[in-house]
Amino acid sequence: GAVVSQHPSRVICKSGTSVKIECRSLDFQATTMFWYRQFPKKSLMLMATSNEGSKATYEQGVEKDKFLINHASLTLSTLTVTSAHPEDSSFYICSGLIAGGGPLEQFFGPGTRLTVL
Amino acid sequence: RKEVEQDPGPFNVPEGATVAFNCTYSNSASQSFFWYRQDCRKEPKLLMSVYSSGNEDGRFTAQLNRASQYISLLIRDSKLSDSATYLCVVNMANDYKLSFGAGTTVTVRA
Repeated sequence: GAVVSQHPSRVICKSGTSVKIECRSLDFQATTMFWYRQFPKKSLMLMATSNEGSKATYEQGVEKDKFLINHASLTLSTLTVTSAHPEDSSFYICSGLIAGGGPLEQFFGPGTRLTVL
Repeated sequence: RKEVEQDPGPFNVPEGATVAFNCTYSNSASQSFFWYRQDCRKEPKLLMSVYSSGNEDGRFTAQLNRASQYISLLIRDSKLSDSATYLCVVNMANDYKLSFGAGTTVTVRA
């Protein structure tokens, strides 16, 4: 299957700082990438759909000014958690969608574990 | 009501045992169904798709019951390496979004 990387894999930051997470499709072009958040023992929750060259579409309840998404190229999407607070501590996972693929063709990154102190 | 609901478990079974669990989904318009596997602190990985007629992949058997809106996964001859959280995933027609259940934890003991 296709490979998606995320960086960093783990980050610990102080409350009030901003954190940027990168999601890269390494061997395919992803016109669409998805950002998920997973709290312990909970399901993955879709936060937003990121389309290359256009604004992201956020799910209900997700603050777009808090979670800034940029998808500037076909292989890179970034999620910036602005002014992070302890309640933002979570496991953030991205996935890339292969162009023309069905829902099966989403490939997940290894995730970024964010801890806000 | 959650879109996808699963029994969280845990299911603790000995090696070689058979374990089965279900998942229910709320939207009757759901089109595609999958089981993913997620190991602790890792990303989910596709285990298998679930087809209307039921399907098997080695020791894993998936069933779909559209009338009752549930999906099942059965694992035969459990291995230690089957210990993981199994996520039920549902997709709507004409939409790339995936809806995940919270997962069923299976622990296989020696």
